[in-house]
Amino acid sequence: AQKITQTQPGMFVQEKEAVTLDCTYDTSDQSYGLFWYKQPSSGEMIFLIYQGSYDEQNATEGRYSLNFQKARKSANLVISASQLGDSAMYFCAMREGRDDKIIFGKGTRLHILP
Amino acid sequence: DTAVSQTPKYLVTQMGNDKSIKCEQNLGHDTMYWYKQDSKKFLKIMFSYNNKELIINETVPNRFSPKSPDKAHLNLHINSLELGDSAVYFCASSQVGIRREQETQYFGPGTRLLVL
Repeated sequence: AQKITQTQPGMFVQEKEAVTLDCTYDTSDQSYGLFWYKQPSSGEMIFLIYQGSYDEQNATEGRYSLNFQKARKSANLVISASQLGDSAMYFCAMREGRDDKIIFGKGTRLHILP
Repeated sequence: DTAVSQTPKYLVTQMGNDKSIKCEQNLGHDTMYWYKQDSKKFLKIMFSYNNKELIINETVPNRFSPKSPDKAHLNLHINSLELGDSAVYFCASSQVGIRREQETQYFGPGTRLLVL
């Protein structure tokens, strides 16, 4: 079974609109961390935001926020006021407390339209 | 002042050759990783080292051998390259913390390997 599911292979959004990228995860651990990475067309992997399973508040970093719904096992990334430079692949990832590795989802390709 | 660097950025080589990719991090992190990203953009871990000790060794052909001369470097050597080895290889590093699940991994720019 997939541990990280990103159901949107691609999205098109008008510039300046808010964007929500979906991510659901599967774990039986109580301790885990959730991450979002951005991969622009230039290819590098850029860390965006982190949410811990014990964090009571949703994580925010500038225009990025993570809509963490623990009971539903979802960790959606919200980008406010999207910009053309937000066009990229976005990966959701999880690290379980008992494990040394991060598991990545298959990614969502986001296109911001002018 | 690059945090995680990889060389080379591009590598084009013939099938059967042996090649190495180098990775260095100046973040003072204890753990380093190698990932493979295939043509469908799927990212999968290959190896991880903590203070020069092998921690993760996923199901990877033994033609791939990581080497960590010190905790700031993790190189990847590939013997007898095959067509299916064509991919982007990412190095990453993280700092061991109190809670393992909090360790954010920071990635290098990637090495685009093309085997002809």
